[in-house]
Amino acid sequence: QKEVEQNSGPLSVPEGAIASLNCTYSDRGSQSFFWYRQYSGKSPELIMFIYSNGDKEDGRFTAQLNKASQYVSLLIRDSQPSDSATYLCAVRRGSNYKLTFGKGTLLTVNP
Amino acid sequence: NAGVTQTPKFRILKIGQSMTLQCTQDMNHNYMYWYRQDPGMGLKLIYYSVGAGITDKGEVPNGYNVSRSTTEDFPLRLELAAPSQTSVYFCASSYLGQRETQYFGPGTRLLVL
Repeated sequence: QKEVEQNSGPLSVPEGAIASLNCTYSDRGSQSFFWYRQYSGKSPELIMFIYSNGDKEDGRFTAQLNKASQYVSLLIRDSQPSDSATYLCAVRRGSNYKLTFGKGTLLTVNP
Repeated sequence: NAGVTQTPKFRILKIGQSMTLQCTQDMNHNYMYWYRQDPGMGLKLIYYSVGAGITDKGEVPNGYNVSRSTTEDFPLRLELAAPSQTSVYFCASSYLGQRETQYFGPGTRLLVL
């Protein structure tokens, strides 16, 4: 069974701090990695994807990938209350377009 | 563009009833997907389609059926509803050249009693 593991949280950080969200995966054939944000009662929306080892930055968001450790993370700098949501990690194997999702981490940013 | 639309938004079914969840996208996307999300859980893929006339099973297909007669529509059929099918159902679509981005519909909340 290919699994994607996330700490369910809740992760609570003060406004302006860095939030760090972590994800591990079991399938070494995974090649593409995604972070989705899901507000309560809403549908998921893609924040970032990353393919290569290292960091990828987009505004306040940085995705980090370490394939040797089978680990992917999402850093949110200068966290805002509007970042409060569940963050879902998803992985894809090769060119297979099917995604395997983790259960998500609930992030709360306190004003 | 409306994007991905789903109907109904909410439905209560009795055990053994059947229903169809509708999904339509107006982005001319090749790929379409159905997921279910149980409380506190991630999304599980039920069925997917890579184009009109082509469908395949995902992780949790039992109790569901799909069809894809057009590029735009991808309905999900529940036959003989069971309490275990109580969930939120999301439809999503993506484009062949941009498969990284799956666009999700607003979801259908289904309660089976």
